[in-house]
Amino acid sequence: NAGVTQTPKFRVLKTGQSMTLLCAQDMNHEYMYWYRQDPGMGLRLIHYSVGEGTTAKGEVPDGYNVSRLKKQNFLLGLESAAPSQTSVYFCASSSARQLSSYEQYFGPGTRLTVT
Amino acid sequence: AQSVTQPDIHITVSEGASLELRCNYSYGATPYLFWYVQSPGQGLQLLLKYFSGDTLVQGIKGFEAEFKRSQSSFNLRKPSVHWSDAAEYFCAVGNTGNQFYFGTGTSLTVIP
Repeated sequence: NAGVTQTPKFRVLKTGQSMTLLCAQDMNHEYMYWYRQDPGMGLRLIHYSVGEGTTAKGEVPDGYNVSRLKKQNFLLGLESAAPSQTSVYFCASSSARQLSSYEQYFGPGTRLTVT
Repeated sequence: AQSVTQPDIHITVSEGASLELRCNYSYGATPYLFWYVQSPGQGLQLLLKYFSGDTLVQGIKGFEAEFKRSQSSFNLRKPSVHWSDAAEYFCAVGNTGNQFYFGTGTSLTVIP
């Protein structure tokens, strides 16, 4: 049981390049989330998904796209990277079924630098 | 709209001293409240959570938190801090739609 995994762990992009971050969870969770973490700003929600095939915008969605083609995977895409997207990205998942398990499980993060 | 405020950006305590980290939330209904800890370069680990019932909740690593509805607060406490507790601490509130809102975090430094 690996929990939530993220690939890659580190990435450097040039302005204008594109990339996809992959999040995978093996807990059969319905909900998945992408956050970015910047100094002094805590975690801000980019996009989230309440189930396979569905996605929704969070607090800071501009410049990002997501897809949830399979229940266990949640992809975050940057079509044209900008220096303002330099950040640490965290994926998380949670279950909708039991109140006792109502919490988020986080991946280890992806550190992205855009030059 | 939900929001979380952690008024202390940075706190320094001596090893063995007591600790209290403040968290205030804004939410119309009964909140689901969480405290997470993040060590440098790591993801977030859940310390404890409150859903209902006893307002004093116990968590891992000797932490506890008290929910005070009248003050809209969920402060984190530990009676005796260890050097390994140095980390970033985040308070979060969740709603019934499985959406979570995080505070900006409190950085804890522990001095010998």
